[in-house]
Amino acid sequence: EVQLVESGGGLVQPGGSLRLSCAASGFTFRSYWMSWVRQAPGKGLEWVANIKQDGSEKYYVDSVKGRFTISRDNAKDSLSLQMHSLRAEDTAVYYCARAEYTSTWYDGGYFDYWGQGTLVTVSS
Amino acid sequence: QSVLTQPPSVSAAPGQKVTISCSGSSSNIGNNYISWYQQLPGTAPKLLIYDNNKRPSGIPDRFSGSKSGMSATLGITGLQTGDEADYYCGTWDSSLSAVVFGGGTKLTVL
Repeated sequence: EVQLVESGGGLVQPGGSLRLSCAASGFTFRSYWMSWVRQAPGKGLEWVANIKQDGSEKYYVDSVKGRFTISRDNAKDSLSLQMHSLRAEDTAVYYCARAEYTSTWYDGGYFDYWGQGTLVTVSS
Repeated sequence: QSVLTQPPSVSAAPGQKVTISCSGSSSNIGNNYISWYQQLPGTAPKLLIYDNNKRPSGIPDRFSGSKSGMSATLGITGLQTGDEADYYCGTWDSSLSAVVFGGGTKLTVL
């Protein structure tokens, strides 16, 4: 059974840092793109970042470029999101998601498994 | 403003059919596969449709997807109260080099 379990969320002051983790199990982690998707309270889904199987390609939404870094440890089946210079607008539930595709990711991949999410609150 | 445009809400009676639209541009829907997600209240999103019209294992055939040009549609037949949820479309945008989602559509089963 595929499982994705996020951790690391919490309350942080504006300008602060936080590191989210996602523990994956039930599938060959190193064979999949992985992603972070967030959802602000009462709002819609917003994709945050993607990382290729071997970590050689990473993509970010413009609003987090230069502040967030996605990484993975294929030996530990683990995905991370390092967040710096946090802002109030980064407050959201952050979901770890497995990214799948039929031909290539760039043709329109999709997220077939999601974690339960971890809440990040940026407030003084 | 979301890159993909969805109606904020739709409603229909139990047993009826409803469609949810998702419109975009040539850099996203027009040239890439689209997926649809269901988010029940208080839960994580769940994949409903991928590659425009394919259903993952376990998704009933009451749910269907289609795409034409720069628009896509999610159809749900035989509506049940348990279908009340938020529905999102999503795809890769080749110009932005980013995944884009619609703003979401809240389905109410009256």
